[in-house]
Amino acid sequence: QKEVEQDPGPLSVPEGAIVSLNCTYSNSAFQYFMWYRQYSRKGPELLMYTYSSGNKEDGRFTAQVDKSSKYISLFIRDSQPSDSATYLCAMSEGGGFKTIFGAGTRLFVKA
Amino acid sequence: EAQVTQNPRYLITVTGKKLTVTCSQNMNHEYMSWYRQDPGLGLRQIYYSMNVEVTDKGDVPEGYKVSRKEKRNFPLILESPSPNQTSLYFCASHSTSGSYNEQFFGPGTRLTVL
Repeated sequence: QKEVEQDPGPLSVPEGAIVSLNCTYSNSAFQYFMWYRQYSRKGPELLMYTYSSGNKEDGRFTAQVDKSSKYISLFIRDSQPSDSATYLCAMSEGGGFKTIFGAGTRLFVKA
Repeated sequence: EAQVTQNPRYLITVTGKKLTVTCSQNMNHEYMSWYRQDPGLGLRQIYYSMNVEVTDKGDVPEGYKVSRKEKRNFPLILESPSPNQTSLYFCASHSTSGSYNEQFFGPGTRLTVL
């Protein structure tokens, strides 16, 4: 069993839809939960991070962490074609550089 | 402009021919990492470095070497490449401001080993 599981998709939605991306994990020691966005032929870039449980909102993006269920989510409101990318969840035990990434979910937002 | 650069961006080589992929960052970060990205497997950490002359293995270090002689550079060395090392490689530099370290990734190096 992988430490971090993420549905690779692809996920195709119409412009303006609410997108929900999810990851599950098995290591209860994870404390930092990140979402990276990766455009085609580019390196990943940090979108949001959350420490421990709870929600975090940044514009159209909301990250949620449920440590009791070992489940994290990223919601994208009013999705745009420019949101079309691969979204990678990532987790670490804390303050360190050893980070475990999910396989990534490929998202297509159709105009 | 803050950035991580990698060279070459694309490389096709043959089994057993030693190669080096360079990585350089201009953000004065102490920590750097190498990852490989394969379909369905996501990013897997190969090696990381906490400072000059300090390195440690990640999850998939077999077949790779690294060195950190200068703070800004962290080259990845494949002494005897094999076809199973065909992959997309990313170098990352880590910020350690505050309690969380954000990783800044380079543009990637696509390596094909024939």
